[in-house]
Amino acid sequence: SQELEQSPQSLIVQEGKNLTINCTSSKTLYGLYWYKQKYGEGLIFLMMLQKGGEEKSHEKITAKLDEKKQQSSLHITASQPSHAGIYLCGADATNYGQNFVFGPGTRLSVLP
Amino acid sequence: DVKVTQSSRYLVKRTGEKVFLECVQDMDHENMFWYRQDPGLGLRLIYFSYDVKMKEKGDIPEGYSVSREKKERFSLILESASTNQTSMYLCASSFSLLLAGNTEAFFGQGTRLTVV
Repeated sequence: SQELEQSPQSLIVQEGKNLTINCTSSKTLYGLYWYKQKYGEGLIFLMMLQKGGEEKSHEKITAKLDEKKQQSSLHITASQPSHAGIYLCGADATNYGQNFVFGPGTRLSVLP
Repeated sequence: DVKVTQSSRYLVKRTGEKVFLECVQDMDHENMFWYRQDPGLGLRLIYFSYDVKMKEKGDIPEGYSVSREKKERFSLILESASTNQTSMYLCASSFSLLLAGNTEAFFGQGTRLTVV
């Protein structure tokens, strides 16, 4: 079955620093989603990428999907304590949506 | 705003009990999903439903069943709870089964179930 890998597994940064989280697949993805989860709560949708080379930004968070559609990165600029949480990538492994998978997550802590 | 509501945030049950986890969405979505989330394993799909009374097994359906009698409600049932079912359970709904395109899945706040 399709698997997504995320790196790093966890990350601790000082407030104000930039950081990058990666999501990698061995297969071509038909849609790549980034979610954020605060501990013990539900998921919040951040953004979705579909086309190779696509890049989207929302506030201080930028997500990119590579040309081969097998790797995505999530970049946070000037991190703040409110950015802390678990970031999950999710993807359609098929083009009919019945095999949606998630990565294991990256736990981000931002030190004030 | 789309709302996906799970009936309980925290639940403690005894081994062998029958457990019902309820999920309700208010956006008339056809598709609803149940996931469990465990540390180091990420989210895993248990069951999903694409229409009333229709259900499909996900990756880890063993020990679970589901019910979709009404479009807005999707229930996850643990017939005989076991300690290895202690987990965070997340319900989601989406307009289309295709999660690509402009469709996104909306998640509930999660139910943390502990089986003792």
